[in-house]
This record gives sequence, structure tokens and C-alpha cells, in this order.
Amino acid sequence: SQQGEEDPQALSIQEGENATMNCSYKTSINNLQWYRQNSGRGLVHLILIRSNEREKHSGRLRVTLDTSKKSSSLLITASRAADTASYFCATYSGGYNKLIFGAGTRLAVHP
Amino acid sequence: ETGVTQTPRHLVMGMTNKKSLKCEQHLGHNAMYWYKQSAKKPLELMFVYNFKEQTENNSVPSRFSPECPNSSHLFLHLHTLQPEDSALYLCASSQARAETQYFGPGTRLLVL
Repeated sequence: SQQGEEDPQALSIQEGENATMNCSYKTSINNLQWYRQNSGRGLVHLILIRSNEREKHSGRLRVTLDTSKKSSSLLITASRAADTASYFCATYSGGYNKLIFGAGTRLAVHP
Repeated sequence: ETGVTQTPRHLVMGMTNKKSLKCEQHLGHNAMYWYKQSAKKPLELMFVYNFKEQTENNSVPSRFSPECPNSSHLFLHLHTLQPEDSALYLCASSQARAETQYFGPGTRLLVL
């Protein structure tokens, strides 16, 4: 079953703008991860936030986690055309190794 | 890029064919995974191997048969597939019980 669900499904912005993507999940978690996928390629791990953390930064990425609302957000600041990709949140379900992905947000950044 | 390679990158096969997908990781990991990514559907976990032993089979039809001869190599043997099996098949690896997975570029499969 799907653990994470992202919204919006698609996002179109201009270069330099910020992009915010949201993820909701259903069960309790130890951590939540965000991955990026360029069109038709493999996924690349971006950032992991643990259940006892509320916010985490990595370069132009800012992730927040609200365990009371079972939700997370990924903010990409000062977006670039190269940020165009699909972004997925993922959590573990049923023990280690069983990583469950959401449906993803397709981000298009226009020059 | 990430130390996980997959071959072939593209595959077209008929429903009566038998083919195999190969995955190799050069990261010293001991867990490997197969995922299926269909259009407009979330990424689906298919199989998990830890230390060469299969620890997860996510109700995958028997026309998909995985093989893990060692911790560095993972195969997915395909036979009598259906057109709805057309998808991007992704391999990933990690340390056992680790949190982050590293993905290969995928094999784009088209079943005619």
C-alpha cells in the first residue's frame, strides 16, 4: 500500500522561484527520505530527516517534518532549470529494507 | 554515477520470449532490490535480497524470477510476460538495515 503521497502532482515555475512539495504519510515513522528522479532515470537520494527532527537543510534544499500531522515538505530555493525532475518522498514500512514511495511531484523549472 | 549499473538499458520482447535483466553494484553493499515503475503509478518494491537471501517478495507474479548469486549481482529473469509488464525496472542497493538506497539507471522494458 502507498505510504507517502505527494502534492501537488505537478508544479511549474520559473527559474529563481522557490518550489515547495508536500508529502503525507499514514503510519508512524523513524525517518522520511526525499529522492529525485530525472526523466526515465534512476532515483537519487537527496535528504533524510529523522522523526525527532523538525527541519533539515542541505544546500538549496530545506525539509520539514511534522509528525503530529504525518507530513513533510521539501523546499527548493532559487530553482534552476536543472532542478526539473520528479521528487518522491519515501518511508519504511514493515521493517528494514521495505522502502515505500509516494507517487511523486513532477517539477518543471522554466528558464 | 551512483555505483549501480543495469543492463540492458532498453529491452523489447515478445510475450513468449525469455530474457534477463542484470544489476551490478560496486559499492560494497549487501542488500539489493528490484523495483517496478509504471506510468502514473508509484514505484513498487518487487524483491529484496539481504546477504544473497531473498527477504521480501511483494506478491510478484511467478513470471518474474529473481536471482542473487552474490552480494554484488542481481538478476531478474523474465518469461511469458504480459504487455502490462512494460515499465521501467529499477535496481537498488544498500547496506543491510541501512536507510538510504542507491539506484541504478533502470531498464526500460517494452512487452509486445
